[in-house]
Amino acid sequence: DAGVIQSPRHEVTEMGQEVTLRCKPISGHNSLFWYRQTMMRGLELLIYFNNNVPIDDSGMPEDRFSAKMPNASFSTLKIQPSEPRDSAVYFCASSFVQPYEQYFGPGTRLTVT
Amino acid sequence: DQQVKQNSPSLSVQEGRISILNCDYTNSMFDYFLWYKKYPAEGPTFLISISSIKDKNEDGRFTVFLNKSAKHLSLHIVPSQPGDSAVYFCAASARGNTPLVFGKGTRLSVIA
Repeated sequence: DAGVIQSPRHEVTEMGQEVTLRCKPISGHNSLFWYRQTMMRGLELLIYFNNNVPIDDSGMPEDRFSAKMPNASFSTLKIQPSEPRDSAVYFCASSFVQPYEQYFGPGTRLTVT
Repeated sequence: DQQVKQNSPSLSVQEGRISILNCDYTNSMFDYFLWYKKYPAEGPTFLISISSIKDKNEDGRFTVFLNKSAKHLSLHIVPSQPGDSAVYFCAASARGNTPLVFGKGTRLSVIA
């Protein structure tokens, strides 16, 4: 069992550039979640999908953020254009409907200069 | 408005003693509670959970207690080991597989 896979693990980019974060959930899981972790705000939910359909994106900070899940085994989180305040660790997590435990990937540390 | 609060940002405990991590919540709709453990440069990993129909759940050295009337839960680690040093997050969910709401975490340091 490979667990949740995220890539890249680290990303350094310049302000204004497009950033794409990738996630492969655990096979068979039907829910996928994107979180952002910062010192100030802790772990914040950005968006989640059930059966590849976005259910709640109210946590997405602005229109610069978008997320897709084209199939059950892949999701992307895109930031365009990126800004220094987007610097954070971004986590992807997946789960079954039941039990409710979410399994997290190792995260992507994003630095926007 | 923080629905899940972990008021102690850090806790230091001697090896072999009990560690008690606390969590308070405000949303009375929460019916499932979880604790996650996070090491540096890794994602949070699930540790233990409890449903609102119980007041205690035990798994080895880890026990979670739930006091619904006080909207409070706690994680007890006995005995504490240096490998338990990590950030612990409390999380809560309402009515099934809705997204988890996380506290800001408590950093536990177990001193040998």
